[in-house]
Amino acid sequence: ELKVEQNPLFLSMQEGKNYTIYCNYSTTSDRLYWYRQDPGKSLESLFVLLSNGAVKQEGRLMASLDTKARLSTLHITAAVHDLSATYFCATSYGKLTFGQGTILTVHP
Amino acid sequence: DAGVIQSPRHEVTEMGQEVTLRCKPISGHDYLFWYRQTMMRGLELLIYFNNNVPIDDSGMPEDRFSAKMPNASFSTLKIQPSEPRDSAVYFCASSLAYGRADLMNTEAFFGQGTRLTVV
Repeated sequence: ELKVEQNPLFLSMQEGKNYTIYCNYSTTSDRLYWYRQDPGKSLESLFVLLSNGAVKQEGRLMASLDTKARLSTLHITAAVHDLSATYFCATSYGKLTFGQGTILTVHP
Repeated sequence: DAGVIQSPRHEVTEMGQEVTLRCKPISGHDYLFWYRQTMMRGLELLIYFNNNVPIDDSGMPEDRFSAKMPNASFSTLKIQPSEPRDSAVYFCASSLAYGRADLMNTEAFFGQGTRLTVV
């Protein structure tokens, strides 16, 4: 059974600080997705990572993929309050399977 | 495009009643997913379709749940009879050529969800 595990599940950050969310998956997958969900809202696609070594950046967020280690990271640079949300990774080995989500809170 | 459209947005029903959730995927998308989200269990994939055909329904919790996709622009998720433990947010998502190694933008796009409360 495919498992997708995120770490940490809860993250409280100060504005201006950097941090990384980790996503481990158990079975070889051809691509990795990152999503954002605001409270009470739907999921919004952030990144699609297609191959080993892939790196994508959008604003203060940067995602990378290491297929050999079955690991993806979402790095947050100089966090701001607007980044507060739940972040999910998902992998597409057959089923589109999501991790548990990381609840990120950025405070002054 | 208006995106994935789900209806109703909110549904409150009594235990034992039939509930039908509806989804209109993005035009041209050939994959459709139904997810359930709860605090305890997170995002669970219930079933997904490719070209209107169910591919994997192993996530459907029990026989009370059924899903159909009669055509490329419409899908339903039905719960009969409903129980309080079915209370959750149900999301529908669609994707263009999900899993195609030769395409880049194959992510799933989610609807706004239906918040179901069974009392």
